[in-house]
Amino acid sequence: AQRVTQPEKLLSVFKGAPVELKCNYSYSGSPELFWYVQYSRQRLQLLLRHISRESIKGFTADLNKGETSFHLKKPFAQEEDSAMYYCALESGGSNYKLTFGKGTLLTVNP
Amino acid sequence: DTAVSQTPKYLVTQMGNDKSIKCEQNLGHDTMYWYKQDSKKFLKIMFSYNNKELIINETVPNRFSPKSPDKAHLNLHINSLELGDSAVYFCASSPPSGRAEGLFFGEGSRLTVL
Repeated sequence: AQRVTQPEKLLSVFKGAPVELKCNYSYSGSPELFWYVQYSRQRLQLLLRHISRESIKGFTADLNKGETSFHLKKPFAQEEDSAMYYCALESGGSNYKLTFGKGTLLTVNP
Repeated sequence: DTAVSQTPKYLVTQMGNDKSIKCEQNLGHDTMYWYKQDSKKFLKIMFSYNNKELIINETVPNRFSPKSPDKAHLNLHINSLELGDSAVYFCASSPPSGRAEGLFFGEGSRLTVL
């Protein structure tokens, strides 16, 4: 069965500092991984998907199959980055399903 | 606006009551979902429908019954509400490409059971 682990419930950094939100996964197939973000009292939004290798709002994430990780990084955190971040793994096959990690609440202090 | 919309956004009710949450998407997606976000912000899938057919049914009490009258709508009916049902319920949809675009979420329906 697939599993997504985000080891940090809370992460606090100062504005301008680098930030890394950790995500590890367990899946027997070929993983498709995503990062979702939820700003205060807003809907979840897709932030990044590993297949597109893009940088959104300065965030990047690289899939490391050897370490089964998909950590989210940003070199210089901004206050508006404060939000709940969820790592998600898609299980393949005909039933498209996303399994979410428990989330990491990022607080960027001024 | 093209989106996933849920009603109501807030619902406060007594234990034992029956309530429904409605979801509609005008994105032309084939698959819709219900996710539950508990007080610890943990998100867990409950149900998934593809073209009105139930395809994912996680371990959810029978008191929860989803209904999809058409592929643009997925409603959630809850019987005999319990305190532990208090949560934010998110509806979501995904296009046939699924993998490339991820899920599109509604704004959530915050259910409080007293």
